[in-house]
Amino acid sequence: QKEVEQNSGPLSVPEGAIASLNCTYSDRGSQSFFWYRQYSGKSPELIMFIYSNGDKEDGRFTAQLNKASQYVSLLIRDSQPSDSATYLCAVNAGGSYIPTFGRGTSLIVHP
Amino acid sequence: DTAVSQTPKYLVTQMGNDKSIKCEQNLGHDTMYWYKQDSKKFLKIMFSYNNKELIINETVPNRFSPKSPDKAHLNLHINSLELGDSAVYFCASSPGPGNQPQHFGDGTRLSIL
Repeated sequence: QKEVEQNSGPLSVPEGAIASLNCTYSDRGSQSFFWYRQYSGKSPELIMFIYSNGDKEDGRFTAQLNKASQYVSLLIRDSQPSDSATYLCAVNAGGSYIPTFGRGTSLIVHP
Repeated sequence: DTAVSQTPKYLVTQMGNDKSIKCEQNLGHDTMYWYKQDSKKFLKIMFSYNNKELIINETVPNRFSPKSPDKAHLNLHINSLELGDSAVYFCASSPGPGNQPQHFGDGTRLSIL
């Protein structure tokens, strides 16, 4: 059974700090990795996706993928109170139509 | 312009009733999905259609029946509603099946009395 694990949190960081969110997955054949942000009462919104080992940067967000260790991380630099949300990790195994979502990590950025 | 729109936004009904949720996307995507998010916020895929054809049918009671009249629309009909069906149902779309990022609708909050 394909599993995607996230620490439920909450992860609390001060404004301006770096928030580090981690996700591990069980299927070694996984090929696509996504981070979604979900504000309370709202729908998931795509933040980043990454397919290759290494880092991918987009503004204040950096996704880091390590396939050998089977984890993917999301770093948020200069965290803002508006970043407070639940962050969902989703993983697609190779050849699979089915994305598996983690249960999400709640992030709180306090002023 | 809303990319993925669902109606209704809220649905309150009694056990045993039949209800439908509609979803439309104007992104030109080929693939659409239905997800259920329970009270613990776990997002679980239910169905997926690619160009009007069913490609994912997870372990879902057969009281749930999806229908895709064209690739821009995916509806969900639920028969004989039960208390455990209370959840938020999200529609999503992606350019194609498989390794593609998804765009989600605003969700339909279903409450069973």
